[in-house]
Amino acid sequence: EAGVAQSPRYKIIEKRQSVAFWCNPISGHATLYWYQQILGQGPKLLIQFQNNGVVDDSQLPKDRFSAERLKGVDSTLKIQPAKLEDSAVYLCASSLAVSLSISYEQYFGPGTRLTVT
Amino acid sequence: SQQGEEDPQALSIQEGENATMNCSYKTSINNLQWYRQNSGRGLVHLILIRSNEREKHSGRLRVTLDTSKKSSSLLITASRAADTASYFCATDPASKAAGNKLTFGGGTRVLVKP
Repeated sequence: EAGVAQSPRYKIIEKRQSVAFWCNPISGHATLYWYQQILGQGPKLLIQFQNNGVVDDSQLPKDRFSAERLKGVDSTLKIQPAKLEDSAVYLCASSLAVSLSISYEQYFGPGTRLTVT
Repeated sequence: SQQGEEDPQALSIQEGENATMNCSYKTSINNLQWYRQNSGRGLVHLILIRSNEREKHSGRLRVTLDTSKKSSSLLITASRAADTASYFCATDPASKAAGNKLTFGGGTRVLVKP
């Protein structure tokens, strides 16, 4: 079974530039998550999709971050414009969860390491 | 804000020894999950323990959960160099509005020396 795919693996941009990350979840996984992990910290949830609808985006800085999951499969996360503090690893995860009341493990992709200079 | 807090932040042991790390959290949970992260493989799920369970085993891993103290522990027995990684606890809150959302702690960095 293929895992969660993410691209690119690394990205270096200057502040105020834009960047986009792509995620392809495990086939059949209804729920998709984007996390931000700053060096030395645990992952922080940015946004959660169930199929192509947003379940939770309360921690997404909406003035500069946006995400979409068209057709309920692939997802993209965009930052525009980037700030120095956006330097982090952006992790995509998916799970089988079709019901919000039942807990499932999450499967993580390798992440995209973003450096903003 | 992070719901779970791991203790210790870092741990160094010799191969063959046991490693124990703890996680404390603040609000009621549906379940608590432990994940491992190393540079080679990213974040990997280790074990999920539900709020009505007290102990769970998986291979060399043993997880306990004490909901009255809002704490959990992860024990790795007979450690190997390959167990060198960061270990994170993640809580799935009991709120119906939360919906399968995990909040991760800051992690325990484990170094197993050969």
